Parts: sequence; C-alpha cells; structure tokens
Amino acid sequence: DAKTTQPNSMESNEEEPVHLPCNHSTISGTDYIHWYRQLPSQGPEYVIHGLTSNVNNRMASLAIAEDRKSSTLILHRATLRDAAVYYCILRDTNTGNQFYFGTGTSLTVIP
Amino acid sequence: GAGVSQTPSNKVTEKGKYVELRCDPISGHTALYWYRQSLGQGPEFLIYFQGTGAADDSGLPNDRFFAVRPEGSVSTLKIQRTERGDSAVYLCASSPSELPYNEQFFGPGTRLTVL
Repeated sequence: DAKTTQPNSMESNEEEPVHLPCNHSTISGTDYIHWYRQLPSQGPEYVIHGLTSNVNNRMASLAIAEDRKSSTLILHRATLRDAAVYYCILRDTNTGNQFYFGTGTSLTVIP
Repeated sequence: GAGVSQTPSNKVTEKGKYVELRCDPISGHTALYWYRQSLGQGPEFLIYFQGTGAADDSGLPNDRFFAVRPEGSVSTLKIQRTERGDSAVYLCASSPSELPYNEQFFGPGTRLTVL
C-alpha cells in the first residue's frame, strides 16, 4: 500500500489560514487522496478528497501537486473547533479498499 | 438522518471473556468497515464488508476476532478469549458503496477495556 507522511503536530492562530502538508511519493495512478479529521473522543469525519485536480468544499480546499506526490489541506480561517487530528489517506482499490490512517497531524488552534 | 451507531459505547470485561460489539450503519449503505484505534494512534483497518460478505478480512489480528453481517445491514464484531492487548476503541464506518471516492461515515466507537 502506498503510505503517507505528515508532520506530527502543527499550531495555528485562530482566524488564520492553515496549510497541512502530506507527502505520498509512492502514490499510484488509481489512488484517491482523502482527508479525514478526528475531534477528541469522536470518530473520524470526512473533510475532502481528490484525484488530480485541486478541490474546494465548504470545509476546506485540497491542493494536489502536479506529480501527485504531495498534497496540502488548506483551512482558510482556523477556528477553535478545527482543533483535531488530521489524516491524509490514500484510497487504493487494488488492495481491498483499505484506509491506512497513519498517525496524522495534531492541529492546535491558539485563541 | 441517523448516522452510524455503535453499542455499547463502553465495555469493560475480564481477560479470557467473550465480547460482541454492534454496529448499525446508515440505512442503504452497502459497504461497512471495522477499525481499531489504540491510544495515540490512527485507526487500524480490521475488516470490510460489501453486502453480507467479508470482502477483505486481512486486518483481523488473529483467529480470536470474527465479524458477521448476516443481512447486509447490522454488523457484529466478536472477540473470543479477550486479552489485555485488545483494549482499544473499536470504530465502525459505512459507505454508500466500495468505490474509492466514496466518503466513509464513522460511528462514535466502542471503548473496550480488558482487565
């Protein structure tokens, strides 16, 4: 399975933009890039996903490098409710549809 | 609408006992996943169902773990002869299908403590 690498932790000031990086140098052509986040004591929740093009939704934006070996989740204005662990995941249909979460990036938002 | 629910929310058991953990997926979702999450770690895949059949059980750690989904809806994760190392949060997720761009909807988890 193609794996991802993320920083263990990041900090952001409230109402500032946050850029969460993810490296996935062994990504294959059939892998979708998914981002999930997990708030304390809750199950993970979907944030965004993409294949090749940049994506925007009401929660965030996903910027995918041209060679697809890295991506960045962008929170445009961090709020205290965005404090969570963010997981970058590759969805590989060739290996049984498993999600490999890794350890994610723990985001702290400073008031 | 109702999301994914899991029962019980907490389960405390003694080493060697048998436990069952239940997952009620979102109605109409054909794909169902079980994960296990230890403290400070990301969720770890256990098993995936498409309909009633286990399409991928490669994440089950050993033969003490078993899961069923007899009618293609509710699923039960069964753990025999529990060990202290089985203590973790067990998460269930469902998805409209197994397609790679489909979102997974997670339940709140069952916290299992083996004494």
